[in-house]
Amino acid sequence: GNSVTQMEGPVTLSEEAFLTINCTYTATGYPSLFWYVQYPGEGLQLLLKATKADDKGSNKGFEATYRKETTSFHLEKGSVQVSDSAVYFCALNAGGTSYGKLTFGQGTILTVHP
Amino acid sequence: EAGVAQSPRYKIIEKRQSVAFWCNPISGHATLYWYQQILGQGPKLLIQFQNNGVVDDSQLPKDRFSAERLKGVDSTLKIQPAKLEDSAVYLCASSLRITGVAGRSYEQYFGPGTRLTVT
Repeated sequence: GNSVTQMEGPVTLSEEAFLTINCTYTATGYPSLFWYVQYPGEGLQLLLKATKADDKGSNKGFEATYRKETTSFHLEKGSVQVSDSAVYFCALNAGGTSYGKLTFGQGTILTVHP
Repeated sequence: EAGVAQSPRYKIIEKRQSVAFWCNPISGHATLYWYQQILGQGPKLLIQFQNNGVVDDSQLPKDRFSAERLKGVDSTLKIQPAKLEDSAVYLCASSLRITGVAGRSYEQYFGPGTRLTVT
């Protein structure tokens, strides 16, 4: 079946540090890949997405590249801010008869200190 | 544009009691999803509606969970009777349309969730 694995967390960084959160996936076919963010007390928000191999999704300084050869979609940001503290989820949609179903990883808690 | 609304935000019940959650999707969104998010895990799809029809309920524990979307707008998720392992956040999401076989995907917009504690 389809699955998403995220790096073990939580992650604690100082402001302006470089961020990488690893995400690998298992899926049949050609899934679309997503990163969602959940700020404290709020619902999940789409951060970025990529729908085919070698696509790069980007938003708010975050980037992730769809790597089919390594089945990965790692999230990166060059300089994190305190306001980036949140839980980050990697997810996939397998397409086909999965329709809109999203399969999520377990989430990574990011804490950024001033 | 108003987002996805859910109520209540928090609910505490004893095991074997029943509980219901309500979701109002974004206006005009045909597709509605209910996810269960257990602490420390990612959300898991329970059921997906297209208008008022069920598209996927393969992971819904049908012996105790039920959901309906009358008139293709609001939706209600019910648990009866609740078990301790049902303690989780229940998330509702909606999208404009269903992701088609051709691959076009539509962004899902999530509500704030209902945190259920079963004691």
